[in-house]
Amino acid sequence: ELKVEQNPLFLSMQEGKNYTIYCNYSTTSDRLYWYRQDPGKSLESLFVLLSNGAVKQEGRLMASLDTKARLSTLHITAAVHDLSATYFCAVVGLANTGNQFYFGTGTSLTVIP
Amino acid sequence: EAGVTQFPSHSVIEKGQTVTLRCDPISGHDNLYWYRRVMGKEIKFLLHFVKESKQDESGMPNNRFLAERTGGTYSTLKVQPAELEDSGVYFCASSHTLQGRYEQYFGPGTRLTVT
Repeated sequence: ELKVEQNPLFLSMQEGKNYTIYCNYSTTSDRLYWYRQDPGKSLESLFVLLSNGAVKQEGRLMASLDTKARLSTLHITAAVHDLSATYFCAVVGLANTGNQFYFGTGTSLTVIP
Repeated sequence: EAGVTQFPSHSVIEKGQTVTLRCDPISGHDNLYWYRRVMGKEIKFLLHFVKESKQDESGMPNNRFLAERTGGTYSTLKVQPAELEDSGVYFCASSHTLQGRYEQYFGPGTRLTVT
């Protein structure tokens, strides 16, 4: 079974600081996703990473993918309070592993003013 | 276009009671998925419908859980009788046939608390 490990589980950081969330997965996957969830809201898609070396940036968030290491990172630059949320990574396995997403445990991020 | 909706947003029930969760997918989406997140753990797959048929129910934890999708539109997930370990957030997602498994749109989830 495809396993996804995400860390840290909780992250408290001061505004203006940088930090990275890590996502490791156990077997070859088709694509990797990063989601954001605010309390009571739907999972909001942030990034979809398709290939080795892919890097995508949106505002203060940057995601990268290393398929050889089976590792994705979500880097936060100069955090602001609005980034406080729970972040999930997820992968879709190869076709023979089913159609479901495999999620990490989530990282609850709190940005302190 | 309306997104995936779930009802109720919260449910608190006692152990042994029955609860039914509902999911309305995006109109026209044939694929419907149920997932669950137990406190502090990952979001885990429960099952996948294609229209009204169960494509994959390998993630259903036990026979206390019953999912239906009559008519291929909305879906219900019934837990009967509920146990303490069933507490968590239940997410529903849907995708269009053309996009298949890659473009799943998630609902806000139903938070279930069993006391």
